[in-house]
Amino acid sequence: GAVVSQHPSRVICKSGTSVKIECRSLDFQATTMFWYRQFPKQSLMLMATSNEGSKATYEQGVEKDKFLINHASLTLSTLTVTSAHPEDSSFYICSARGGLGQETQYFGPGTRLLVL
Amino acid sequence: AQTVTQSQPEMSVQEAETVTLSCTYDTSESDYYLFWYKQPPSRQMILVIRQEAYKQQNATENRFSVNFQKAAKSFSLKISDSQLGDAAMYFCAYRSEDGGATNKLIFGTGTLLAVQP
Repeated sequence: GAVVSQHPSRVICKSGTSVKIECRSLDFQATTMFWYRQFPKQSLMLMATSNEGSKATYEQGVEKDKFLINHASLTLSTLTVTSAHPEDSSFYICSARGGLGQETQYFGPGTRLLVL
Repeated sequence: AQTVTQSQPEMSVQEAETVTLSCTYDTSESDYYLFWYKQPPSRQMILVIRQEAYKQQNATENRFSVNFQKAAKSFSLKISDSQLGDAAMYFCAYRSEDGGATNKLIFGTGTLLAVQP
């Protein structure tokens, strides 16, 4: 299957700082990328969907000013958690899919964020 | 709105035995995709198997197969000859196929599978 990388895998930061997470599709062009948040022993919660070159579409209840998403190229999307607080501590997962006709979403390995 | 239900929070199977994980979904659409993803302790989501709704034949991938009952809106996963490496959280997922490129996956709540040696 296709490969999606995510960096960093773990990050610890102080409250009030911003953290950027990168998501890359390594061997295919990702027309659409998705960002998820996952709490322990729970399912994935979709935060936003982004198409290359367009503004991201956020799910209800997700603060777009808090979680900035940029999908500048067909292989790279970034999620920036601005002014992070302890309640933002979580596991963040990106996922990518190719264009029409590409049915499968491939997932990155996730980023564990801990805000102190 | 579409929903996906996994009614078994946890399951256990003996090594080399067979186990079936249940998944039901609700939709009014006729064209869609169904997926099973596996999330081991590493938390990397891995695609296990995919089924197109327009195909009557059940998908199979080595030891993994599905029982897709479209009328009943059921999509169970059978794991044969279970191995220790199969221990993971398994998520059932639905995605509509109405021609939109941004159709999102709708996940069930997951089934945690333990494999006993």
